[in-house]
Amino acid sequence: DAKTTQPPSMDCAEGRAANLPCNHSTISGNEYVYWYRQIHSQGPQYIIHGLKNNETNEMASLIITEDRKSSTLILPHATLRDTAVYYCIVKPRFQKLVFGTGTRLLVSP
Amino acid sequence: DAEITQSPRHKITETGRQVTLACHQTWNHNNMFWYRQDLGHGLRLIHYSYGVQDTNKGEVSDGYSVSRSNTEDLPLTLESAASSQTSVYFCASSDQSSTDGLAGAYNEQFFGPGTRLTVL
Repeated sequence: DAKTTQPPSMDCAEGRAANLPCNHSTISGNEYVYWYRQIHSQGPQYIIHGLKNNETNEMASLIITEDRKSSTLILPHATLRDTAVYYCIVKPRFQKLVFGTGTRLLVSP
Repeated sequence: DAEITQSPRHKITETGRQVTLACHQTWNHNNMFWYRQDLGHGLRLIHYSYGVQDTNKGEVSDGYSVSRSNTEDLPLTLESAASSQTSVYFCASSDQSSTDGLAGAYNEQFFGPGTRLTVL
């Protein structure tokens, strides 16, 4: 599986957009980009995934660069409840998830 | 509503004892997974199953076993608990969707609330 690099922590003001980057420069053509998050003391929660096109759902948007070597998860209007660790995972579709250490996002009032 | 549950939520046991953690899902998902989470290591896969009677070892399977006798349950057993197995354990499940495309649910794993296990 492709290795991912995420900043260990980020801050965001409540109501502003949170943009979480992920570098995956060794991604292969059959590998998808997945984002999960884990709120303190809870199990991880799926957010979104994509292959090469940008994706949007009710939780977030995923922007993947044209060369697919990096991506950005966007929470358009961050709330205090979005404070969590965010995991970027790159893998082929039918392989199991491997979690790294993620980005700890702190949303402040 | 469909859900995934784990029991117990908290467990304290002694070294050498056998411990079983329960995981039950009502989505009728084929795939089920067990992870452990420790500070500095993130989530690590212990065992997983793609269906009844199927079990597979993950990256940290030593000292653990699972069995899958039905679709809903994947109990995790610590044969002889060790202090190194003190951790938070998460169970997850996912649907083996036969459809392609990004709407497929195959890899959207649904996680349980976790079991905090302490081995003294």
